[in-house]
This record gives sequence, structure tokens and C-alpha cells, in this order.
Amino acid sequence: GDSVTQMEGPVTLSEEACLTINCTYTATGYPSLFWYVQYPGEGLQLLLKATKADDKGSNKGFEATYRKETTSFHLEKGSVQVSDSAVYFCALRRNTGFQKLVFGTGTRLLVSP
Amino acid sequence: DAGVTQSPTHLIKTRGQQVTLRCSPKSGHDTVSWYQQALGQGPQFIFQYYEEEERQRGNFPDRFSGHQFPNYSSELNVNALLLGDSALYLCASSSTRLGVTGELFFGEGSRLTVL
Repeated sequence: GDSVTQMEGPVTLSEEACLTINCTYTATGYPSLFWYVQYPGEGLQLLLKATKADDKGSNKGFEATYRKETTSFHLEKGSVQVSDSAVYFCALRRNTGFQKLVFGTGTRLLVSP
Repeated sequence: DAGVTQSPTHLIKTRGQQVTLRCSPKSGHDTVSWYQQALGQGPQFIFQYYEEEERQRGNFPDRFSGHQFPNYSSELNVNALLLGDSALYLCASSSTRLGVTGELFFGEGSRLTVL
């Protein structure tokens, strides 16, 4: 079945450091790919998405590129802030049928001043 | 415009009890999905409701049931609670008018603790 694998955390960085959180997926066909963010005590917020190969999703300085050849969707940011501290989830959804999301286990990011 | 609202935000139950969680979708949305997020894990799909019918279900036992009302709000019921049912239960809404690529909006969740 469909699955998403994320790098384990926590990822601990100093403010203004570069961030990469790895995400790979297994799915039939060509799913849409997502990054969601969960701040402490809150629900999930969509951070960015890509719906087809070579698409780049971006938002709030975060970027991720849909790489079909490596089945990857790594999250990157050039300069993190303390306010970016949260748990980040990679997810996929098939582009046919129902809108079920399949999530990875999440990666906690801790950014210190 | 209110987003997805869930209630209660926190609750504590004992093993064997039953619980009902509630969700009001974002205005204009007609589809509601429920997810279970255990501590330290990613959300797992429970089921989805559209037009008051369950139209897809994840790998959860029949103890988990749901309902959707004519105003599109939804309830998640869990019977015979087990310790392992302790989790954050997330509701997500979407609109079929936007097709399969329509964005899902999540509520803040109901945190259930089973003692």
C-alpha cells in the first residue's frame, strides 16, 4: 500500500541555519505530495504542496520539489527561525478516488536562538 | 469565516466507556474526514463522510463509527474504549466542488485519554 517515510527527529538547529527534512514515498501512480506543520497544541496546517512531477511547492520560505525519479519530496529552508519550531509531516494523496491522506511519522524541528 | 471546529478539546475516559467527538466543517465544505494521531505518530485515516454516508474507511475496528448530519457536521463514536485509543482525534473538511485536489482543512483536535 501507499506509504511515506520521513527522517527521524528531532532536528536541532540554530537560528538562520539551513534546514532539510527528507521524505520519500511509495505509491501507485502519481500522487499529490504535501507538507503539513503542527505547532504545539494545535492541529495540522498545510505548508505547501505539489501535484505533479517536477512541481515545486513553496510557502513562508520553505520549498519542496516533487522528484518522481527518486520518489522524494524533501523540505528545505535556507534560514530557519525560532518560530519554525514545530512538527513537520510529509503526506501523499492519490489523485483519483477519495481524498485520503497518508502521512509520515513526523519530524520535530527545534530551533534555538 | 470559522474554520473547522472540534469539541471537546480534551477529555478523559476509562476503559470500556464510550465517547462521542464532534466536528463542524469549514463553511462551504460538505465532506468530513476523521484521523487518529497517536503520540509521536502521524495521523491515521479512520473514515470519511459525504452526503451523510461513510464512503471510505481505514483500518479501524467497528468500535469506531461515525455520523454526518444534514448540516454537514459530523460525530465520531468510539465504543468499548481501550488504553490504545488514547490519541488526538483530528477532523478535516473539504469540498467536493473542488474535486479530488481540493485542500483539506484540519481542526485543532480532540485529545482523548483513556485510563
